[in-house]
Amino acid sequence: QSALTQPRSVSGSPGQSVTVSCTGTSSDVGGYNYVSWYQQHPGKAPKVMIYDVTKRPSGVPDRFSGSKSGNTASLTISGLQAEDEADYYCCSYAGSYSLVLFGGGTKLTVL
Amino acid sequence: EVQLVESGGGLVKPGESLRLSCAASGFTFSGYSMNWVRQAPGKGLEWVSSISSSSSFIYYADSVKGRFTISRDNAKNSLYLQMNNLRVEDTAVYYCARVGYGSGSYVHMDVWGKGTTVTVSS
Repeated sequence: QSALTQPRSVSGSPGQSVTVSCTGTSSDVGGYNYVSWYQQHPGKAPKVMIYDVTKRPSGVPDRFSGSKSGNTASLTISGLQAEDEADYYCCSYAGSYSLVLFGGGTKLTVL
Repeated sequence: EVQLVESGGGLVKPGESLRLSCAASGFTFSGYSMNWVRQAPGKGLEWVSSISSSSSFIYYADSVKGRFTISRDNAKNSLYLQMNNLRVEDTAVYYCARVGYGSGSYVHMDVWGKGTTVTVSS
């Protein structure tokens, strides 16, 4: 199964909002409410920012929010800060055969 | 402190084998499903394999099915990945990750190790 589709890069200025999209199919993103978003800084392990489409783990700033419409999930970061500059990956349940599918990743640049 | 520490990576030739380990501490390991996720140099994340808390359910990505075996020893708080017939394209940093408690899928990974590097080259 193909990876989920994410834009290769997005950018924004400090204080602005950006949205990262993640497009799949009805067999993954559209079929289940199991989408997570991971933040990864260079040379570091990924960190979960959103899970189950909209839930935010404790300790993650409420500037990070998730949503889904049809086969596309989105991560929105409001009030951009310099430390938000990182790679972001979406991840979706894809059924009992493919199980877990990642997006190709999006590099967020804070201008 | 909740922690996952991977080990066992290294440089091997195509066709050779390697066994990765992931030592868990700071939580009740036997209560959690676990994943292996890898990242090739300069590339994105790729799910490799998952195992349920009691090893009843095991899953593999097509790219490693038949060559990799995931297992766990709850008495030793350890997760393993036996990798046989390694290929150049298996070169990556391998992460073990804990699945969020009560998660309805293996997609929510709430704790990650720092990773161990596997290089397959002749």
